[in-house]
Amino acid sequence: QVQLQESGPGLVKPSQTLSLTCTVSGGSISSGGYYWSWIRQHPGKGLEWIGYIYYSGSTYYNPSLKSRVTISVDTSKNQFSLKLSSVTAADTAVYYCARVEGASIAAALFDYWGQGTLVTVSS
Amino acid sequence: QSVLTQPPSVSGAPGQRVTISCTGSSSNIGAGYDVHWYQQLPGTAPKLLIYGNSNRPSGVPDRFSGSKSGTSASLAITGLQAEDEADYYCQSYDSSLSGSSVFGTGTKVTVL
Repeated sequence: QVQLQESGPGLVKPSQTLSLTCTVSGGSISSGGYYWSWIRQHPGKGLEWIGYIYYSGSTYYNPSLKSRVTISVDTSKNQFSLKLSSVTAADTAVYYCARVEGASIAAALFDYWGQGTLVTVSS
Repeated sequence: QSVLTQPPSVSGAPGQRVTISCTGSSSNIGAGYDVHWYQQLPGTAPKLLIYGNSNRPSGVPDRFSGSKSGTSASLAITGLQAEDEADYYCQSYDSSLSGSSVFGTGTKVTVL
């Protein structure tokens, strides 16, 4: 059973960089076959896809966030990470990591999710 | 930013049937891309409910069913139960957005 767990600061100051890590257990990122993703949910709002990464480092990002987002992978630790720069209060959200199932990006679906972590942007 | 539109809320009495629509366009659902559905119980992470338009993962009751036609998809819940009260989201791929996954606006299901 694959499990994902987000970790990182719950409070980030405006203009700084939000950094989160997702630790995967029950499966190896480096075995391939899956992309790994970050998704966020603003308080009381819907879901917003942030981006995906493959174990090789190949990435896709939401065009609306692309200029501020970096997703990276550390296969030795079985982790992948999110960095979001120049944050504002509008980036306050619950951030989820998830595994991406699907034969291609066009068929992508999210089959395993972390529990989510609330990140608040405030001075 | 959501390109998939859902009704904000639907409600029904226990035992009734409710449906949730997910309306897209020619660059996502209408282009033939699969639609997937997620259930989010209060305070929890979303859970995959339907994949590939109409398939249920193991463990999902057959009260949940999905369909797709044209530029829209639907989720139906038959025999509504109290534990079905949750938020539901559709998700697909949009070819106009550089490899993007897109989610629906979300629908709150209330069991009366």
